[in-house]
Amino acid sequence: GAVVSQHPSRVICKSGTSVKIECRSLDFQATTMFWYRQFPKQSLMLMATSNEGSKATYEQGVEKDKFLINHASLTLSTLTVTSAHPEDSSFYICSARALGAGGNHPYEQYFGPGTRLTVT
Amino acid sequence: KNQVEQSPQSLIILEGKNCTLQCNYTVSPFSNLRWYKQDTGRGPVSLTIMTFSENTKSNGRYTATLDADTKQSSLHITASQLSDSASYICVVGVRTGANNLFFGTGTRLTVIP
Repeated sequence: GAVVSQHPSRVICKSGTSVKIECRSLDFQATTMFWYRQFPKQSLMLMATSNEGSKATYEQGVEKDKFLINHASLTLSTLTVTSAHPEDSSFYICSARALGAGGNHPYEQYFGPGTRLTVT
Repeated sequence: KNQVEQSPQSLIILEGKNCTLQCNYTVSPFSNLRWYKQDTGRGPVSLTIMTFSENTKSNGRYTATLDADTKQSSLHITASQLSDSASYICVVGVRTGANNLFFGTGTRLTVIP
């Protein structure tokens, strides 16, 4: 149980275009989802926290107008990178905090497999 | 300043050998400590999670320890396998805020035949 999926797993886009990444909790409801970015050989960096039905909270230095987050349901959050540039190329990972996922640790977050974005 | 430091940065061991990874943290107020395994190009997968009152937790060949007094944790891998090659990330959570997870930079483990 407690599986998080991301789609797509890899995407290549041209500079100036927008890309949408989906994050789904497959077998549990997630009131809170988190979006991270990871550059090569570095650790995960939190970009924003997304609560279902409300606006996302962005970390300092993350442009909310560039990284649009929508958390429309308890099982789906989307991250849209608008007007992507080569410096946005990175590995984007979402995670979800389980709501009542039976038997799981109350603090547990479940990570998706990540999306590799390459902007040319 | 809230920080999580891991050592060593990288480690190469022979298949079948044991190894121990270290994590020191200066995170407050402490809530929990997690170890994740991250394969290259994949998302992190949880190995163990411990709260203040837990000082050891096992998951198969992985055993994590926690000393909340010295703010240290270790992850011991027994009888390593080639599939253990990955990055191991120590993550410390705080009791305040919606997320507030502090990530270590990881230890890159390579198991060779």
